[in-house]
Amino acid sequence: EAGVAQSPRYKIIEKRQSVAFWCNPISGHATLYWYQQILGQGPKLLIQFQNNGVVDDSQLPKDRFSAERLKGVDSTLKIQPAKLEDSAVYLCASSYALGREGRYTGELFFGEGSRLTVL
Amino acid sequence: GNSVTQMEGPVTLSEEAFLTINCTYTATGYPSLFWYVQYPGEGLQLLLKATKADDKGSNKGFEATYRKETTSFHLEKGSVQVSDSAVYFCALSKSKTSYDKVIFGPGTSLSVIP
Repeated sequence: EAGVAQSPRYKIIEKRQSVAFWCNPISGHATLYWYQQILGQGPKLLIQFQNNGVVDDSQLPKDRFSAERLKGVDSTLKIQPAKLEDSAVYLCASSYALGREGRYTGELFFGEGSRLTVL
Repeated sequence: GNSVTQMEGPVTLSEEAFLTINCTYTATGYPSLFWYVQYPGEGLQLLLKATKADDKGSNKGFEATYRKETTSFHLEKGSVQVSDSAVYFCALSKSKTSYDKVIFGPGTSLSVIP
C-alpha cells in the first residue's frame, strides 16, 4: 500500500513570500492532519480534516496560513506571507476513521515532511 | 488541557545498554497512549500503543506499560542497537473516535554508539 505522499521535500523562500505544500494521504483514509514541527520540538497540530470538513483548526494562524481538502482526498497547505518563525518541517498524516475492528486505532501514518526555510 | 511531558535528551548509550525514556501525561479520563519513532530522514511511525490502564504495548523489543496511577508510559528496551538511534515521541489521544487530535511530547533524541 502506498504511503502518505508530500511535496516538495525542501523549500527555501524569502520572508514575505508565499509557499504551498501538497499532501496525498493513504487511499481510504478519511482523516487528514497537518502538523508543524519546529527543530527540537514535537509536532504541533495545525489543522485536522475529516473527509473535506475541518474538525480542528484552533492552532492555525489564520492570518497567514490556509489549508483545503476540496474533494476529501489530497490537501494543500499555504503560507502567505511567510515569516522567519515559519521555518519548520510541515508534516502531513492520515488515519482511518475506524480501524478494521470497527474502532478508532489512534494510529497516524505520516509522510516524510516538507522542510521550509524562510530567510 | 491535555499534555505530554518527556525526559529531555539527547540520550547517548553504548550498544547493548538498557534504555528508559520517561513519559508522563496530563489528561482527564482514559486517553490512548502511543510511542512514535522518527529515524533520520524519515517520517514519524508508530512504535507501540496502549489503550487502557495496565496495558503493555510492545514492538521491536521496546515495551511501555500504561500506568494510570502515575500517569506514565515509560519506554524501555533491554538491549539497544545502533539502528535504534532516532527521536522518540510520546503521544496521547483523548477520544476513541477520530475526531480528537493526537498530542505529541517534545521528543527525546537517542544516539547509540558501537
